[in-house]
Amino acid sequence: SQTIHQWPATLVQPVGSPLSLECTVEGTSNPNLYWYRQAAGRGLQLLFYSVGIGQISSEVPQNLSASRPQDRQFILSSKKLLLSDSGFYLCAWSRGGRNSYEQYFGPGTRLTVT
Amino acid sequence: DAKTTQPPSMDCAEGRAANLPCNHSTISGNEYVYWYRQIHSQGPQYIIHGLKNNETNEMASLIITEDRKSSTLILPHATLRDTAVYYCIVRVYNYGQNFVFGPGTRLSVLP
Repeated sequence: SQTIHQWPATLVQPVGSPLSLECTVEGTSNPNLYWYRQAAGRGLQLLFYSVGIGQISSEVPQNLSASRPQDRQFILSSKKLLLSDSGFYLCAWSRGGRNSYEQYFGPGTRLTVT
Repeated sequence: DAKTTQPPSMDCAEGRAANLPCNHSTISGNEYVYWYRQIHSQGPQYIIHGLKNNETNEMASLIITEDRKSSTLILPHATLRDTAVYYCIVRVYNYGQNFVFGPGTRLSVLP
């Protein structure tokens, strides 16, 4: 069966500090990978998605970036965090190709920028 | 993606069926209806999806009206652990498209 991991689970970072969140998927190959952010009491906002190693599409311009160094690894980064970067960050995966429908979400990372 | 309308909150007695409605009057012919739920402080959990036929799995049933303008998610025997925010989403399958999560319905299962 497939599993998705995210770490850390919670993070408190000062404004201006760097950020690195990691997501890994097990039990599948060549998945599509996604990063979402959920602000408190709000819906999910897609930040990045990837259909393969080194292939990243950005949905929202911001000071965040994403990378996919390995097939089942997806990393969200920032060089300098802003207060507005606080939120609940979720990684998701779906089967690759055009015959996949649902996305499966990880447990999330709660980021507080102080 | 078509927009959906859901009631902001609902209550359900434990052991009874929970029927969560969703309106999607502008749905296109090739858009699917998906349901997810999010328990507090966790990632969203996929429940079920369908195109035009009713669907059932181990978690729930999805009833889609013949004109596809609305649907109902049915949890046949709600438990306290089903307390969550339930999201109804419509979208065309395309790996480049995200799931647009609206405010959803906050279901409270009461003992």
